[in-house]
Amino acid sequence: QQPVQSPQAVILREGEDAVINCSSSKALYSVHWYRQKHGEAPVFLMILLKGGEQKGHEKISASFNEKKQQSSLYLTASQLSYSGTYFCGTATGTASKLTFGTGTRLQVTL
Amino acid sequence: DAGVTQSPTHLIKTRGQQVTLRCSPKSGHDTVSWYQQALGQGPQFIFQYYEEEERQRGNFPDRFSGHQFPNYSSELNVNALLLGDSALYLCASSLVLASGSGRDTQYFGPGTRLTVL
Repeated sequence: QQPVQSPQAVILREGEDAVINCSSSKALYSVHWYRQKHGEAPVFLMILLKGGEQKGHEKISASFNEKKQQSSLYLTASQLSYSGTYFCGTATGTASKLTFGTGTRLQVTL
Repeated sequence: DAGVTQSPTHLIKTRGQQVTLRCSPKSGHDTVSWYQQALGQGPQFIFQYYEEEERQRGNFPDRFSGHQFPNYSSELNVNALLLGDSALYLCASSLVLASGSGRDTQYFGPGTRLTVL
């Protein structure tokens, strides 16, 4: 079962903040966040690991609540380049297979 | 540093035909995963190759098969194509970490857009 993301879509003005949530019904080893622009490949943003370790983009932060199997991606002072569809990918098993969420479409306007 | 490359970029086939897609992983990576992304949806895991063996498989029929070569590059083969196989096929590479699962960062290639008529 794929993780559920919210909101489905959001429109921001440049400089505003946004939070994207990802919720799974399964116990997670890690959560991976990607941004995909139309017609392009997903670009890695952030990985959050069970136990608190995280690594990724300098200007984007995220949290991982292991007890609730939830992760949130925080986009602050948004830029036009942040526009795209954001996906969370979750790893639950002994291999690194990722199950991707439903996606959140983000549009940043002037 | 070369990233993940895929070929071809676009492909048009007819129902019943067979197709082979190719992927070269990012330099230094040893694991290749394949995903199918239908329009408007997130990528769906097909399978993963490590040490030239299929390590894990998603919910895809046997018509989908793959291979990994000694140089870590990989192929995805789809037989008896159906209209529903039309999608963007993404290859992602990673480096297996001895410390455990789910910790590898996967980097995606530009994808192959397959259209089945």
